[in-house]
Amino acid sequence: GIQVEQSPPDLILQEGANSTLRCNFSDSVNNLQWFHQNPWGQLINLFYIPSGTKQNGRLSATTVATERYSLLYISSSQTTDSGVYFCAYDRGSTLGRLYFGRGTQLTVWP
Amino acid sequence: GAVVSQHPSWVICKSGTSVKIECRSLDFQATTMFWYRQFPKQSLMLMATSNEGSKATYEQGVEKDKFLINHASLTLSTLTVTSAHPEDSSFYICSSSSREDKAEAFFGQGTRLTVV
Repeated sequence: GIQVEQSPPDLILQEGANSTLRCNFSDSVNNLQWFHQNPWGQLINLFYIPSGTKQNGRLSATTVATERYSLLYISSSQTTDSGVYFCAYDRGSTLGRLYFGRGTQLTVWP
Repeated sequence: GAVVSQHPSWVICKSGTSVKIECRSLDFQATTMFWYRQFPKQSLMLMATSNEGSKATYEQGVEKDKFLINHASLTLSTLTVTSAHPEDSSFYICSSSSREDKAEAFFGQGTRLTVV
């Protein structure tokens, strides 16, 4: 199967700092998504970004499909940004059937 | 975005009993839903694809007799953990997509199962 590498595995920041999370793929993927899992386990959709760049407030994401990676940018971090960030993809055969990376554990300190 | 609701949020059961978890699409019809399992500090692992009106498709290594999936309507899929044991304790979460031509998946709140 396709290997998904998320980096860094852990990230500790002070409030106000910026960060970049990365997802690398061993092969071409379809329908990349970024999620934030909060401490209660809820998966919150951040971006559906098969290619290109999107922005939503302090967050933005870029997927370069031809180079098999995606980036998630978080600017001016807040303590509420803490949690685990996952990238996930589907293989195109069944839309929405996702395979997840291992995640990045983000901790933002006040 | 589409709304997916999962119930219950948490459940504690005795070893040997069965537990049913419900996943509902609230504002769209879902011909396909997906079930995932997540152990503490780990990623989400796809367990099975639930197909409305037909049999579920299970990922390799997932016991279909242990995890029974029923998708009898366009808005409801259920996962039954049969004869649960402590090693089945985990976080179970379902998802679906609201349109056939767009793959963006939306997730339920998840169910934390503890088997004692």
